[in-house]
Amino acid sequence: IAGITQAPTSQILAAGRRMTLRCTQDMRHNAMYWYRQDLGLGLRLIHYSNTAGTTGKGEVPDGYSVSRANTDDFPLTLASAVPSQTSVYFCASSGGVGSYNEQFFGPGTRLTVL
Amino acid sequence: GENVEQHPSTLSVQEGDSAVIKCTYSDSASNYFPWYKQELGKRPQLIIDIRSNVGEKKDQRIAVTLNKTAKHFSLHITETQPEDSAVYFCAAPNAGGTSYGKLTFGQGTILTVHP
Repeated sequence: IAGITQAPTSQILAAGRRMTLRCTQDMRHNAMYWYRQDLGLGLRLIHYSNTAGTTGKGEVPDGYSVSRANTDDFPLTLASAVPSQTSVYFCASSGGVGSYNEQFFGPGTRLTVL
Repeated sequence: GENVEQHPSTLSVQEGDSAVIKCTYSDSASNYFPWYKQELGKRPQLIIDIRSNVGEKKDQRIAVTLNKTAKHFSLHITETQPEDSAVYFCAAPNAGGTSYGKLTFGQGTILTVHP
């Protein structure tokens, strides 16, 4: 693995189903983030994690949950998907807590909820 | 939290012209302002950033200026080329200018450079 990866690349999901989007980085970054990108709304933060074992809510957390069991992985779960969660989801990571560093983005997951 | 406004939402220029995108922010404690470029179907990538201890930063054809008094910062692209066509996002910290690295992004500007 080089950098930050996401899986799946795309997914079509029936409303009401549970879905986990995966994100893995090999840069040993402390901080990780999940964004959703919708046309005209830019990138909106869903959840973040400053370091392994801690998570926090972003701007649009409702309907989503995350966990950070280790440094490398930061999965995003939709417990019961709804059509308004149709979006492109980007995971990102950055070097450290307490300083501003470049955020590196994954390639994204395009999710369609029908 | 931080509020970031970005203008214009779309910008069309002829190759060789300059392009300017402006962002305003609300938190006077913010001290880091990155710009990201996102090509169609790809991930956002950092192209330049500025910290509040300087007023301007340049990297070849791109530059960013910062006015902390007015709480705005701008991206300047000179001698535009078709490959500059993309969506550009500004961002500012949303944690009161301290810690954690969270960013609030602007709504994006679709830049089209016509050959």
